[in-house]
Amino acid sequence: GAGVSQSPSNKVTEKGKDVELRCDPISGHTALYWYRQSLGQGLEFLIYFQGNSAPDKSGLPSDRFSAERTGGSVSTLTIQRTQQEDSAVYLCASSPTSGGPDYNEQFFGPGTRLTVL
Amino acid sequence: GNSVTQMEGPVTLSEEAFLTINCTYTATGYPSLFWYVQYPGEGLQLLLKATKADDKGSNKGFEATYRKETTSFHLEKGSVQVSDSAVYFCALGRRAGKSTFGDGTTLTVKP
Repeated sequence: GAGVSQSPSNKVTEKGKDVELRCDPISGHTALYWYRQSLGQGLEFLIYFQGNSAPDKSGLPSDRFSAERTGGSVSTLTIQRTQQEDSAVYLCASSPTSGGPDYNEQFFGPGTRLTVL
Repeated sequence: GNSVTQMEGPVTLSEEAFLTINCTYTATGYPSLFWYVQYPGEGLQLLLKATKADDKGSNKGFEATYRKETTSFHLEKGSVQVSDSAVYFCALGRRAGKSTFGDGTTLTVKP
């Protein structure tokens, strides 16, 4: 079946502009994660959605970052007033967390490469 | 809370050398444990996993055994190839709970 998709694949923006990044998880996956990966660095956790529970926003680096997940499916990560240090690859992953052999395995999208000029 | 500690990199080996990347974890209950791999220019993908104590995950010649007594999940391969050059991430997952990743270990294999 279809995997996790993200759009756009690349985004170049000017400092101070707002950007929206989209993630389409695998159908039926209850958990959805956003991560940030700067060049040569590890994964930085941003936010976690689990079913209808309140999201875990503990990784968001500032109040310029926000995310929502509509209808338990598609998620949008919004960065307001972008800064150059926001330049990174933003990864989305979804996970089945209720039963089955794949539970808690994360399936990653290809990422969105954000460049802030 | 949950945490994963990985061996710091980078690790550089010659082809056909033995590889070990250490991973230890802290968690309550009985998490599942994973190794993910990120090849240059590609996304993260699952390499192997183990869901309970003493389970051994294996794939592409890599192995890792879930050791509850030492809270470890070390990644091993008997003979690495140049194509194994990548970043390796250890992770734990809990049912209906947030997963936790280690910082990643960069492996470079030279011919």
